[in-house]
Amino acid sequence: AQSVAQPEDQVNVAEGNPLTVKCTYSVSGNPYLFWYVQYPNRGLQFLLKYITGDNLVKGSYGFEAEFNKSQTSFHLNKPSALVSDSALYFCAVRANQAGTALIFGKGTTLSVSS
Amino acid sequence: NAGVTQTPKFQVLKTGQSMTLQCAQDMNHNSMYWYRQDPGMGLRLIYYSASEGTTDKGEVPNGYNVSRLNKREFSLRLESAAPSQTSVYFCASSDPTSGIPHEQYFGPGTRLTVT
Repeated sequence: AQSVAQPEDQVNVAEGNPLTVKCTYSVSGNPYLFWYVQYPNRGLQFLLKYITGDNLVKGSYGFEAEFNKSQTSFHLNKPSALVSDSALYFCAVRANQAGTALIFGKGTTLSVSS
Repeated sequence: NAGVTQTPKFQVLKTGQSMTLQCAQDMNHNSMYWYRQDPGMGLRLIYYSASEGTTDKGEVPNGYNVSRLNKREFSLRLESAAPSQTSVYFCASSDPTSGIPHEQYFGPGTRLTVT
């Protein structure tokens, strides 16, 4: 079965500090990995994806993620956090058995303090 | 482009009532999805439609039915609502090409409460 785990329910960082939101996955074959962000009372917004190629993926709003096949991880990073980055972050992996449907992690709440 | 639109934004139902959640996209996407979001559980796939004329069950299909009316529209129906269906429902669409998955675009959600 394919799955994705976000081990931290909440991550707290101070503005200006680097942030990391962790994600690990389990999938048969090559994974397709995604990060989404959800602001309060809004739908999900796409941040970035890894399909193939360079392990370091750059996305929207200065976020990046590194695909690590040996550790089956796809952690989300940003060098300098902003208060406006505070939101709910979801990691997702493609579920091959369900066509193009995605399997989402449970989400990590990022709180950036000023 | 409006992207993905959903109606209604809010709904309160009594147990046993029925309703249909509407979703439409104007991006000419082939695939559409219905998810529910519950606290601490992330998003769980209810049904999806890989292309017009096809629908398939996701992780939590019980108690729901769907209709892919045309390429633009994908509706979700609750025939007899139960309190366990209290949730936020999201519709999404995507345009996979040659098996390479593109990102999904999400609607703003429908907040449903069943009393």
